[in-house]
Amino acid sequence: GEDVEQSLFLSVREGDSSVINCTYTDSSSTYLYWYKQEPGAGLQLLTYIFSNMDMKQDQRLTVLLNKKDKHLSLRIADTQTGDSAIYFCAENQFYFGTGTSLTVIP
Amino acid sequence: DTGVSQNPRHKITKRGQNVTFRCDPISEHNRLYWYRQTLGQGPEFLTYFQNEAQLEKSRLLSDRFSAERPKGSFSTLEIQRTEQGDSAMYLCASSPTEGGGAVFFGPGTRLTVL
Repeated sequence: GEDVEQSLFLSVREGDSSVINCTYTDSSSTYLYWYKQEPGAGLQLLTYIFSNMDMKQDQRLTVLLNKKDKHLSLRIADTQTGDSAIYFCAENQFYFGTGTSLTVIP
Repeated sequence: DTGVSQNPRHKITKRGQNVTFRCDPISEHNRLYWYRQTLGQGPEFLTYFQNEAQLEKSRLLSDRFSAERPKGSFSTLEIQRTEQGDSAMYLCASSPTEGGGAVFFGPGTRLTVL
């Protein structure tokens, strides 16, 4: 399978911005996704970006895509305690990273 | 219909038994996906359907696993002769388009093999 890599942990203070990074390997990827998973819950689709785009903004979320470096990032502005969760990036619908656990400190 | 539903939500079985899970996708979603997720890991793709056709199967899907989507609506995933290593959360997802776009996950079925 393809490798999708994420850092395991991220801690930020409430009100700061969070940036979660992801690298992938399949240059033919069409869509790249960000999902949120809270403890004991299913995966919630946050946003996705088509591979011919560089950036997508949706309220507090900004996705940046660098196709040359195969790097995807998710920026959460004004991070809240309710944003504490595990965030997964995914390449198309098939390959998921191991997730980044975001902890928001009040 | 507000989302993808999966039944049962929890299943405990003894090693060697067969189990079957059901997934009901969002209405009119023509793509349906099955994944497996273990603790501390991201979802692992198992298989997917375009309507009733099973288009791809991961090499993770051993011969003991079979999935069907007979009428292009709900799908079942059967595991025969369960092993302790099959214990995991089994996730189903659906999407409305052929090329990708928004993919929505169900709550999952947690399987425990004793």
